[in-house]
Amino acid sequence: DAGVTQSPTHLIKTRGQHVTLRCSPISGHKSVSWYQQVLGQGPQFIFQYYEKEERGRGNFPDRFSARQFPNYSSELNVNALLLGDSALYLCASSWREGGSFGPGTRLLVL
Amino acid sequence: QKEVEQNSGPLSVPEGAIASLNCTYSDRGSQSFFWYRQYSGKSPELIMSIYSNGDKEDGRFTAQLNKASQYVSLLIRDSQPSDSATYLCAVYGADGLTFGKGTHLIIQP
Repeated sequence: DAGVTQSPTHLIKTRGQHVTLRCSPISGHKSVSWYQQVLGQGPQFIFQYYEKEERGRGNFPDRFSARQFPNYSSELNVNALLLGDSALYLCASSWREGGSFGPGTRLLVL
Repeated sequence: QKEVEQNSGPLSVPEGAIASLNCTYSDRGSQSFFWYRQYSGKSPELIMSIYSNGDKEDGRFTAQLNKASQYVSLLIRDSQPSDSATYLCAVYGADGLTFGKGTHLIIQP
């Protein structure tokens, strides 16, 4: 079985631009969570979706938004990028609380 | 604000010895606790979960939970150089998983 997949793997953007990150969960998993990991820190919770509904939101500005599609894949959108948005963005798929992480998307904002 | 605290290390342990990693959490109502291993440049990998007080063993790994003290630990027996990584403690709640900053473990050959 394929694990969690994320695309793209790497991305370079400039300040003020918009970015869309994508995630496909493990087959059969209906929950997707997004995390941001800055270098030297643990992952920080951004969003959780279950059955296409937002179930939780972390302490991130409204520039961050997400959605989940009928096939349970998900997109994370970030508007008006700031230098501080440079990080590894992780998607976790879970049918219970721990979950499995995808390989991540490394975003660099210049 | 829920907090999860870990000593960032680095923690240096000789090969073959027991590595002991510790974590404290602030939310007394937390029920689910996890340990993840993260190699440099990679995503976190779930290695242990624990939900009730006491010890849980899986191969060379033992997770220990003490809810009264709000304390979680991970023991790695017979440490191998391949165990060198950052170990993240995570607590599950309404805000998803709250992670500590991680402990950098170095196993010395």
